Amino acid sequence: EDQVTQSPEALRLQEGESSSLNCSYTVSGLRGLFWYRQDPGKGPEFLFTLYSAGEEKEKERLKATLTKKESFLHITAPKPEDSATYLCAVKAGGTSYGKLTFGQGTILTVHP
Amino acid sequence: DAGVIQSPRHEVTEMGQEVTLRCKPISGHDYLFWYRQTMMRGLELLIYFNNNVPIDDSGMPEDRFSAKMPNASFSTLKIQPSEPRDSAVYFCASSLQGSYSNQPQHFGDGTRLSIL
Repeated sequence: EDQVTQSPEALRLQEGESSSLNCSYTVSGLRGLFWYRQDPGKGPEFLFTLYSAGEEKEKERLKATLTKKESFLHITAPKPEDSATYLCAVKAGGTSYGKLTFGQGTILTVHP
Repeated sequence: DAGVIQSPRHEVTEMGQEVTLRCKPISGHDYLFWYRQTMMRGLELLIYFNNNVPIDDSGMPEDRFSAKMPNASFSTLKIQPSEPRDSAVYFCASSLQGSYSNQPQHFGDGTRLSIL
């Protein structure tokens, strides 16, 4: 069974204080690892897709990296508007094609 | 471009009543997903469709839940009879997958369901 574990559950940062969120996964035949951002009262918003170990993607203050067992979302010099829940999800191959398995998320709060 | 549209945004009803949630996917997308999100269990996949055909409904909690997709632009998730433990936020998502593409799922803003 595919499993995704995110840590920490919650992270409080001061504005400008860089940090990383972790996503550990167990999946049979990874087809892709996805990062989403979710604001209160909204649906998850797509950020990145990573396909293979060693791959990196960047968007503004966010950078996502991937190894064979985990992914990191690095946040550089965060601002209060980066406060949100960050979700990680994996897609496996085989008969579960199309299905995403999500982690529980990391709640990020950035204080001014 | 319009995103995934869900209605209603909020639903409050009494236990035992029938509840119908609606979803309009992004035009041209061939996959549609229904999820449920709670504090305890996070985001759980209930069922998904490919080209209007249900592919995997193993996440549907019990027979009280049913989902249909009569055409490419509309899907419903129905709960009958509803119970307090069904209270959650229900999300619909769609994606354009094709045979081997790996496009992301795009989510609606959800329906917050409260069963009293």
